[in-house]
Amino acid sequence: GEDVEQSLFLSVREGDSSVINCTYTDSSSTYLYWYKQEPGAGLQLLTYIFSNMDMKQDQRLTVLLNKKDKHLSLRIADTQTGDSAIYFCAESMGGYQKVTFGTGTKLQVIP
Amino acid sequence: NAGVTQTPKFQVLKTGQSMTLQCAQDMNHEYMSWYRQDPGMGLRLIHYSVGAGITDQGEVPNGYNVSRSTTEDFPLRLLSAAPSQTSVYFCASRSTQGAKADTQYFGPGTRLTVL
Repeated sequence: GEDVEQSLFLSVREGDSSVINCTYTDSSSTYLYWYKQEPGAGLQLLTYIFSNMDMKQDQRLTVLLNKKDKHLSLRIADTQTGDSAIYFCAESMGGYQKVTFGTGTKLQVIP
Repeated sequence: NAGVTQTPKFQVLKTGQSMTLQCAQDMNHEYMSWYRQDPGMGLRLIHYSVGAGITDQGEVPNGYNVSRSTTEDFPLRLLSAAPSQTSVYFCASRSTQGAKADTQYFGPGTRLTVL
């Protein structure tokens, strides 16, 4: 079955770039997502990328997809204290197929 | 749109008690699901539904029931609560027609403690 793996913890200094990595196993995934979860809240979509894309940029966020290695990354430029949260990657074939989530990476931003 | 709403936000139960977690969405999404979130384990799918009258089990369905009588509502029932069901529960809904990459929208969560 599918499995999505992430490292559990990342610590960066304010102003630096953060890179959160994710590996997945289902090569037939159509959509790959990054969600952010702030303390005590639900998950909110940050961005998504189609599997036929290599890169997507959205303001401070850059998503890179290496489909050959099944590797997805999220880069946050100029990381701020407000970026402290848990970040989940997820994959799906869309339609009626389920979404599979990673274990989440807790990002700690040090002032 | 209110999006996905969940009630209650917090609940404490005694072992053996039953209760229903409510979930509703106003986006006319066909697909709804329930997850539980435990430290270090990410989100685990409990049950899901691809439309009114249709439900199916996820990866951790034991001890939970669901029903989907309308498109809007997808309640989760705990039949006889156990301490292992202490968790944060999230309801989610999404389109299945490719809208915004079939992004899932999450409710704010229900924090359940079973004593």
